[in-house]
Amino acid sequence: QSALTQPASVSGSPGQSITISCTGTSSDVGGYKYVSWYQQHPGKAPKLMIYEVSNRPSGVSNRFSGSKSGNTASLTISGLQAEDEADYYCCSYKNRVFGGGTKLTVL
Amino acid sequence: EVQLVESGGGLVQPGGSLTLSCAASGFTSSSYWMSWVRQAPGKGLEWVANIKQDGSEKYYVDSVKGRFTISRVNAKNSLYLQMNSLRAEDTAVYYCARESPDGYNFDFWGQGTLVTVSS
Repeated sequence: QSALTQPASVSGSPGQSITISCTGTSSDVGGYKYVSWYQQHPGKAPKLMIYEVSNRPSGVSNRFSGSKSGNTASLTISGLQAEDEADYYCCSYKNRVFGGGTKLTVL
Repeated sequence: EVQLVESGGGLVQPGGSLTLSCAASGFTSSSYWMSWVRQAPGKGLEWVANIKQDGSEKYYVDSVKGRFTISRVNAKNSLYLQMNSLRAEDTAVYYCARESPDGYNFDFWGQGTLVTVSS
């Protein structure tokens, strides 16, 4: 199973909004609602940020939001903060496949 | 508080074996599917294997089928990964992860244990 496609890096200034895309196929991202997003700081464990495309777990800031259109899911972070600088991974649970990861830099 | 603590990683020669353990606390682990997910140095996440609550169903990524075995002992709130015939490409941090109650995502992760396969 091929990994989902994410941009290698994105950047933004504090207070701005950024969007990270995650592109798959109709067999994974496009066909099911089971897309989740994970945040990983260097040397730390991944943390669930979004599940089932657009749902936030308890305790996750409402600055994080998710959506999907066709075979592409997206993670949007609004009001960027320095602490948001991390790697972000999407996942399609149907095939238990992750994206390659996107490094977010807060300028 | 949910906690997952992995152990058992280390340096092993190609062709060797290693068993990883994951100790769960703060929840009833017998009520959840559990997974192992790995991350090679500087690379992304890769799901490795998972196991049903009662151990009756197990699934593996193709690259480890026939070499790795996932198991659990619910009475000990523990998850295991027996790894045989290890290859250099198995070098990674191995994370234990809980699958959410309604399935479809990994809602809690351990801190990981590093496995290095090298001569």
